Formats: sequence, C-alpha cells, structure tokens
Amino acid sequence: AQSVTQLDSHVSVSEGTPVLLRCNYSSSYSPSLFWYVQHPNKGLQLLLKYTSAATLVKGINGFEAEFKKSETSFHLTKPSAHMSDAAEYFCVVTLNTGFQKLVFGTGTRLLVSP
Amino acid sequence: EAGVAQSPRYKIIEKRQSVAFWCNPISGHATLYWYQQILGQGPKLLIQFQNNGVVDDSQLPKDRFSAERLKGVDSTLKIQPAKLEDSAVYLCASSLEVGRHSEQYFGPGTRLTVT
Repeated sequence: AQSVTQLDSHVSVSEGTPVLLRCNYSSSYSPSLFWYVQHPNKGLQLLLKYTSAATLVKGINGFEAEFKKSETSFHLTKPSAHMSDAAEYFCVVTLNTGFQKLVFGTGTRLLVSP
Repeated sequence: EAGVAQSPRYKIIEKRQSVAFWCNPISGHATLYWYQQILGQGPKLLIQFQNNGVVDDSQLPKDRFSAERLKGVDSTLKIQPAKLEDSAVYLCASSLEVGRHSEQYFGPGTRLTVT
C-alpha cells in the first residue's frame, strides 16, 4: 500500500537559514507526491506536486522538492527561511485509483526563530 | 475566486449529542471530500463525492457518520451520536478534476470538541 513517512515531527531553524523537511514514500508504482502547508486556523494549501514530469519540482514561496526514486525520498527544501514559513507541513501520496485519494503523512511542524 | 466555505468554525457538544457540518465547495468543482484531522495527525479521508454520487466512503464510520451532497454542490456531514474520540478538525476540500494529479482546495475546517 502507498504511504509516506515524515522523519521529523518538529524542525527548528533560524530566520535566513536553509530549511529541510524530510519525507520518504512507499509505493508499488510511480507515485504522485505533494507537499501541503497548514498555517494555524487556515486551510491546507498546496506547495508543490510531483507528477513524473521533472524530478526537481519548484513550488510557491521559494520551496522546492526533489524526487529521488533510488532513495524513495521527496524532501522539501528552501534556501532561506522566513518567519512566515512557520507552519505544519504535510507530505502526501496518492493511491493508484481512478479517483484521487490522498494519504497524508503525520506532519512536520516548522519553527522559525528570529 | 471564492474558496471552500465551511461552517460552523467551532462546535462544542456533549457525547451522545448530534452535530452537523456544512461545506460549500468552489464553484464548478465536481469533486468534494470530507477529511477528519485528529490533533497531531495528518488528515484522513472520510468520504469523497463525484457530483451527487459517493466515490469512496470506505473509512467513514457508517454507524454514526453520514454525509450527503444535494444537487452536486453543498454538502453536509453529520455525526449521530458523537463520541469523545470524534473530537477533531473536519476539513472539506474540492477539486476541479478527478485525476490523481489534480489539486484539492481545502476549507478552514470545523473544530469539534466532544465533552
């Protein structure tokens, strides 16, 4: 069955330093992978998605992720953190059905200090 | 364009009471989803509609949860009777397309507390 594992429940960085949020996936076929962000009291928002077109995917707000099949990873990165990046981030995989069915990871809370 | 609307935003009830949540998806989006997000976990799909029809309700506790989507637009999710473990945020999402690459747009959620 398809699943994702987010390796860190919390990540703390200083403003201006790089961000790395780790995600490993398990899938018996070529997956579709997403990163969603959830700010407090706001809805989930799509950051970026991988659909097999390119292994390096660029998203909104300067985030990007690289699909590495050999490592079954889809880590999220950003060169320089902003205070506004503090939020919960979810790595998501879709099941191989005719309709989209998202399977969420447990989330990584990103804390950004001044 | 207007986003996915949900109401109420917060609800507190006692166990064994009933509660209903409402969702209005983005105009033109044929697919609608209800998720349950328990504190500290990722959202879990409860039910998915394609227009009026149910596509997937395999994880919906049907003995107490029900959902409907009238006329393929608005949707309601009901819990009757509620249990303590139903305390969670209930998220509604919609998407324009049905394929596995399509983007889902989420509403702000309804936070349910069962005491």
